[in-house]
Amino acid sequence: EPEVTQTPSHQVTQMGQEVILRCVPISNHLYFYWYRQILGQKVEFLVSFYNNEISEKSEIFDDQFSVERPDGSNFTLKIRSTKLEDSAMYFCASSDRDQNTGELFFGEGSRLTVL
Amino acid sequence: GQQVMQIPQYQHVQEGEDFTTYCNSSTTLSNIQWYKQRPGGHPVFLIQLVKSGEVKKQKRLTFQFGEAKKNSSLHITATQTTDVGTYFCAEIQGGSEKLVFGKGMKLTVNP
Repeated sequence: EPEVTQTPSHQVTQMGQEVILRCVPISNHLYFYWYRQILGQKVEFLVSFYNNEISEKSEIFDDQFSVERPDGSNFTLKIRSTKLEDSAMYFCASSDRDQNTGELFFGEGSRLTVL
Repeated sequence: GQQVMQIPQYQHVQEGEDFTTYCNSSTTLSNIQWYKQRPGGHPVFLIQLVKSGEVKKQKRLTFQFGEAKKNSSLHITATQTTDVGTYFCAEIQGGSEKLVFGKGMKLTVNP
């Protein structure tokens, strides 16, 4: 069964450092998302991406965040200067909105720890 | 922005018991999705409901969308230890790309 893959599974970084989280969405999907989940809390929307541009972003997704689809398979989330409060699990998701179920397929997540 | 509210936030049941969890909104929902997240895992899609009064079943799970499309419920019959996890309801807001999650209902099962 096709799946969304994410790397790294865990990253530890110092405050102020840049971090890039990588995702390979399901190959025939056209819609891509990043969500984050602070430990024990709800899953929060960060950004959606379609047709090589951001289609929607939340108030969390400020100037420190950016997304990119550098080639036909990868979808990346960059945090330019990490803060302690950026520590969370970051989930990538993809979907084929044309399908009837509306399902988002989530990757297993990248745990970011900012020290 | 609009957020779906889930009650209860925590539920502890004895294996074999039935239970129901609810998802409520103050405004009409265009649709509702349910996801399950196992401890340490990622959200996994369970179902989407779109029509008023819709009821869908998946084995021991029964999902319902309210007639007014302002609430939804998930009923689990004869809970098993494999049902442990956090159940989220979520909505794709009309005209929007984003799926907005509720705070989730964490289920623990006593064997």
